[in-house]
Amino acid sequence: AQKITQTQPGMFVQEKEAVTLDCTYDTSDPSYGLFWYKQPSSGEMIFLIYQGSYDQQNATEGRYSLNFQKARKSANLVISASQLGDSAMYFCAMREREGAQKLVFGQGTRLTINP
Amino acid sequence: DAGVIQSPRHEVTEMGQEVTLRCKPISGHDYLFWYRQTMMRGLELLIYFNNNVPIDDSGMPEDRFSAKMPNASFSTLKIQPSEPRDSAVYFCASTGLVVAYEQYFGPGTRLTVT
Repeated sequence: AQKITQTQPGMFVQEKEAVTLDCTYDTSDPSYGLFWYKQPSSGEMIFLIYQGSYDQQNATEGRYSLNFQKARKSANLVISASQLGDSAMYFCAMREREGAQKLVFGQGTRLTINP
Repeated sequence: DAGVIQSPRHEVTEMGQEVTLRCKPISGHDYLFWYRQTMMRGLELLIYFNNNVPIDDSGMPEDRFSAKMPNASFSTLKIQPSEPRDSAVYFCASTGLVVAYEQYFGPGTRLTVT
């Protein structure tokens, strides 16, 4: 069964608009972590943002924020004021339980920012 | 810090040949991970180490794959013999005592087996 689901294979957004990339997850453990990574066309995987299951507030890192809805098991990435350089693949990942180090990745969403 | 270093960046080899991929994790990180990325299967964890000891190798596809970590600053992933279906990008990542144990990835090795 899919543990991380990213339902948007591709998204096209106008520059300067905000964009939301969807991620839903499945775990029965109460303690888990959620991550977003960016993979530009050059291929490297870049860590963007982290949300712990017990964190009371949504995580933010600059233009990135994570819309964490625990009851719905969703952890959507929001990019504000999108830039051309945001065009990339975006992966949602989950660390399933406290102390575990394995990450399970979704299939990714390809984001294209249009000028 | 230099980040995670992988070599080679590109490798083209013929079927049946031995391939060795190398990784140097970020200094001070005590976990090291090997991933494989393909279009069909996405990003898959192959194996990971903690303090140089293999913890979980359930993702290693078959006996042709082996990984070692002889010390804290070096790891290898070996494929012998290689097959065309092994063609993929192989990433090494490391993590340590950081806030969220986020993993930091190397640039990857693009392997092509002809």
